Amino acid sequence: QKEVEQDPGPLSVPEGAIVSLNCTYSNSAFQYFMWYRQYSRKGPELLMYTYSSGNKEDGRFTAQVDKSSKYISLFIRDSQPSDSATYLCAMSVAGRRALTFGSGTRLQVQP
Amino acid sequence: SQTIHQWPATLVQPVGSPLSLECTVEGTSNPNLYWYRQAAGRGLQLLFYSVGIGQISSEVPQNLSASRPQDRQFILSSKKLLLSDSGFYLCAWSRDRAEAFFGQGTRLTVV
Repeated sequence: QKEVEQDPGPLSVPEGAIVSLNCTYSNSAFQYFMWYRQYSRKGPELLMYTYSSGNKEDGRFTAQVDKSSKYISLFIRDSQPSDSATYLCAMSVAGRRALTFGSGTRLQVQP
Repeated sequence: SQTIHQWPATLVQPVGSPLSLECTVEGTSNPNLYWYRQAAGRGLQLLFYSVGIGQISSEVPQNLSASRPQDRQFILSSKKLLLSDSGFYLCAWSRDRAEAFFGQGTRLTVV
């Protein structure tokens, strides 16, 4: 079993829709949670970072962490064609040097 | 502000040839540095990380090696490339918090 599971998609939505992207994890020691956006043939770009359960909002993006269920989500409101990309969740244990990534979900926002 | 430079962007190399990919970070000192590899449609696999000059940790036994000759320089090398070394190579850095910041990647094709 992978430590981090993420549905690969593709997920296709119309412009303006609310998008929900999710990851589940098995390692209860994970304390830090991130979402990255990756455009084709580019490096991942950090979108959201959180280290506690609950919600964190930044513009159209909301990150949600539920440690009791080992489940994290990223919500995108008023989705735009420019949001079309692969979204990667990542997480780490305190003291571990590197991140454990999900395999990414490919999102397509149709104009 | 911090920036990370990675080059070249694309590379086509014959089997058995050597490899050298370079990564430099500006605007910070004593960063943690990482090399990841991303296969098509897959998540990121950590290859090497470094917490200081000359300090390299390998996560996956393979045909590759890494070196850190200067504080903000990280190099990925191979003496003889294999077909299986093809992929998208990403350099990243981090400091006090868990999140990492990525370069734009090098797409390596071994032919």
